[in-house]
Amino acid sequence: DAGVTQSPTHLIKTRGQHVTLRCSPISGHKSVSWYQQVLGQGPQFIFQYYEKEERGRGNFPDRFSARQFPNYSSELNVNALLLGDSALYLCASSPGRTGGWNTEAFFGQGTRLTVV
Amino acid sequence: GIQVEQSPPDLILQEGANSTLRCNFSDSVNNLQWFHQNPWGQLINLFYIPSGTKQNGRLSATTVATERYSLLYISSSQTTDSGVYFCAVYSGAGSYQLTFGKGTKLSVIP
Repeated sequence: DAGVTQSPTHLIKTRGQHVTLRCSPISGHKSVSWYQQVLGQGPQFIFQYYEKEERGRGNFPDRFSARQFPNYSSELNVNALLLGDSALYLCASSPGRTGGWNTEAFFGQGTRLTVV
Repeated sequence: GIQVEQSPPDLILQEGANSTLRCNFSDSVNNLQWFHQNPWGQLINLFYIPSGTKQNGRLSATTVATERYSLLYISSSQTTDSGVYFCAVYSGAGSYQLTFGKGTKLSVIP
C-alpha cells in the first residue's frame, strides 16, 4: 500500500511569490494535517482537515491556507513568501474521526521549500 | 499549551552500545508517538504508545502517563540508527494536533 505522498520534493521560490504544496493521504484515511519544520526544531502544527473542513489551525499568519478535496488529498498554499518560510513542510495522514482524533499519524517525505 | 521536553539533545554512541532517550510532557496526554527522522527528512513511525511498554526488535518504549514521561530504549545500536528522534503528543479532549519536542540527535559511530 502506498504511504503518504507529497509533491514536489524540493522547491525554490523567490520572496513575494506564491507556492502550492500537495499531499495524498494513505488510502482510507480521511484526515490530513500540515506541519512546518525549520532547521534544528521539531515540526510545528499548521492545519488539520477532515472531510474537507478545517478542524484546527496553528499559530501561522493568514498567508497560509489549505484545502482538502473530495478524494481527501490536500493542498497547502502560502502567499507572499518570506525568507523565513524556508522549511521542510510535512503532511500527516490519519484515519480521522472514525478512529478518534488522536489516532496514529503517518507522515510523508516532506517538501523542502527554499525561499531566496 | 502543552510543553514537550526531550533529553539529551545530542548523543554520540559507539556501535553496539545501548541508550535511553527521555520525553517529559507538562500535561496529561491522550496519545504519544515516537518518530525517527532520517537524514532525508522522512519521519518514520517507531511507536504509538499512550501508556505501557512496547517492543519492536532492538527498540522498546515505555510511557508512564501518570508521571508524564516516556522512554525510548535502543539496544545494540547500529550506524543506521543515526538521526533525530522525536517524541510527539496529543493532549486535551478532541485534540487534533501533535506537539513535538525538539528531538534528540543520535550519532552512532563505527
